[in-house]
Amino acid sequence: QKEVEQNSGPLSVPEGAIASLNCTYSDRGSQSFFWYRQYSGKSPELIMFIYSNGDKEDGRFTAQLNKASQYVSLLIRDSQPSDSATYLCAVKGGAAGNKLTFGGGTRVLVKP
Amino acid sequence: GAGVSQSPSNKVTEKGKDVELRCDPISGHTALYWYRQSLGQGLEFLIYFQGNSAPDKSGLPSDRFSAERTGGSVSTLTIQRTQQEDSAVYLCASSPPAVEKLFFGSGTQLSVL
Repeated sequence: QKEVEQNSGPLSVPEGAIASLNCTYSDRGSQSFFWYRQYSGKSPELIMFIYSNGDKEDGRFTAQLNKASQYVSLLIRDSQPSDSATYLCAVKGGAAGNKLTFGGGTRVLVKP
Repeated sequence: GAGVSQSPSNKVTEKGKDVELRCDPISGHTALYWYRQSLGQGLEFLIYFQGNSAPDKSGLPSDRFSAERTGGSVSTLTIQRTQQEDSAVYLCASSPPAVEKLFFGSGTQLSVL
């Protein structure tokens, strides 16, 4: 079992709709959770982080964390073509210590 | 201000040759990571440096891979006797103290022929 798992996609979403991305992790002791966005040919950039159970909103993005079920999700509201990218889930803490472990990423395509 | 700088941006080498990849982190950043990304894949952790602590080398795939960080700043990733499966983008990232955000460099595209 991979430490951090994501559906590779592509997730095709009409413009203006909500994109929902999921991520599961194996280490129950993990403490910090991140979503990075990576445009094709570019390096990843941080868009959200979450530490506590529940929802965290930042503009059109909402991160959701459920530690009991060991999953973290990202919602993108009012999706725009510029949101088309690969979204990488990353996890820190637990047995891995301060190492940041990434999932394989979910490719999102927003169609006008 | 300057971001994380990696060099070279592209490296083409022959199988069996050694290569050195360089990362110059943002000034004042104490943490430095190396990741590898194959085409269409996620980021594979290689090694992590934090201040003066012993590095976490748990992600290095074989003893052909090594890395050092001199003076808590510049880091060099060395791959000896390169193999075709080493072809990938090698990404370096740094972060400042008490901040969990990673700042990535533009990467080195390594091609082993």
